[in-house]
Amino acid sequence: NAGVTQTPKFQVLKTGQSMTLQCAQDMNHEYMSWYRQDPGMGLRLIHYSVGAGITDQGEVPNGYNVSRSTTEDFPLRLLSAAPSQTSVYFCASSSPVTSGRTMYTGELFFGEGSRLTVL
Amino acid sequence: AQSVAQPEDQVNVAEGNPLTVKCTYSVSGNPYLFWYVQYPNRGLQFLLKYITGDNLVKGSYGFEAEFNKSQTSFHLKKPSALVSDSALYFCAVRDWEDSSYKLIFGSGTRLLVRP
Repeated sequence: NAGVTQTPKFQVLKTGQSMTLQCAQDMNHEYMSWYRQDPGMGLRLIHYSVGAGITDQGEVPNGYNVSRSTTEDFPLRLLSAAPSQTSVYFCASSSPVTSGRTMYTGELFFGEGSRLTVL
Repeated sequence: AQSVAQPEDQVNVAEGNPLTVKCTYSVSGNPYLFWYVQYPNRGLQFLLKYITGDNLVKGSYGFEAEFNKSQTSFHLKKPSALVSDSALYFCAVRDWEDSSYKLIFGSGTRLLVRP
């Protein structure tokens, strides 16, 4: 059971280059998301998706694009890398949970992370 | 604005002693609260959650958390710390204002358990 798989684990880019961080999950989770982790700032949500064909912005979406063509995959694209995007990126997925009439995201399953350095 | 705060950057405790990692929150709706742990060079792992019910929630690896509505706190506890508990711990709360799918994470607390 692979869970959430992220590639690559490490990447060094030059300013202005573009790249895609891949994320795949094999748990049939509807909800997928991308976070970035920076020292002293915890995790900040970049983009998320509640199902194939549906994406939305998180706290820090600028400079990033996402798409969700299948339930399994949720790639994160950096359009023109900047040094401020140096960070560790985490993909996470979950199934929705219903409590009464409210639906919310359940336990998040995280990938191992992708460490990106932009020079 | 909804938020979660972890007031301590680092907590140091001796092996065998009880540990507490603090978390306070501010939300407009019902507080759905979570604790996650991150070991070095790994992704976050779910420890426990509070949705409703008993104020004392039990989770993985012997951890528990106490929900206190009057103090708006959700502190993580363990009766007897292990060296292997040394890791980064994150508190998170559901973001009611924006989307039921979003979690707001605290800045993290590093737990160091010395032998």
